Amino acid sequence: GEDVEQSLFLSVREGDSSVINCTYTDSSSTYLYWYKQEPGAGLQLLTYIFSNMDMKQDQRLTVLLNKKDKHLSLRIADTQTGDSAIYFCAERGTGANNLFFGTGTRLTVIP
Amino acid sequence: KAGVTQTPRYLIKTRGQQVTLSCSPISGHRSVSWYQQTPGQGLQFLFEYFSETQRNKGNFPGRFSGRQFSNSRSEMNVSTLELGDSALYLCASSSGGNEKLFFGSGTQLSVL
Repeated sequence: GEDVEQSLFLSVREGDSSVINCTYTDSSSTYLYWYKQEPGAGLQLLTYIFSNMDMKQDQRLTVLLNKKDKHLSLRIADTQTGDSAIYFCAERGTGANNLFFGTGTRLTVIP
Repeated sequence: KAGVTQTPRYLIKTRGQQVTLSCSPISGHRSVSWYQQTPGQGLQFLFEYFSETQRNKGNFPGRFSGRQFSNSRSEMNVSTLELGDSALYLCASSSGGNEKLFFGSGTQLSVL
């Protein structure tokens, strides 16, 4: 089956940029997503990218997709303490709304 | 526009019991999917319903079932609960053909 991998932890200082990385195995993925989860909450859709794009920017968020290497990254500019959360990368499988999630990266922002 | 609503927020059950969780999708959304989140297994897809029909199913035993009503609201049921069923159950909705999936806050199920 599909395998999506992320590093478990990332710490950055407030005001710096954060880069969260993700690798996936399914070359037929159509969409790739980034979700944010705060303690005790559900998943918040941050952004997504279609597989024929290589970059998408949305305010402080930049998504880069290297389809050849099956590598996805999320860059958060000017990281704030409110960005502290777990970030999940997900790929859309062959089913209609069947997402495969990574393990999540816990981002800690140090004031 | 209201988001995805899941009830109840918390549930405590004992082994062998059954449980029903409810999900109301965003207005106008016809697809509802369910995910299980545990510390050990992460986020795993359970099933998806569209227009009252199950359209896709993950690798879970038959004890896990669901249904969708004509107003797109969905319920999932877990019978003969096991300790390992303790998890956060998340519901997500989309318009069906749309690439955006929106999640609710989840139901935290504890099985004692």
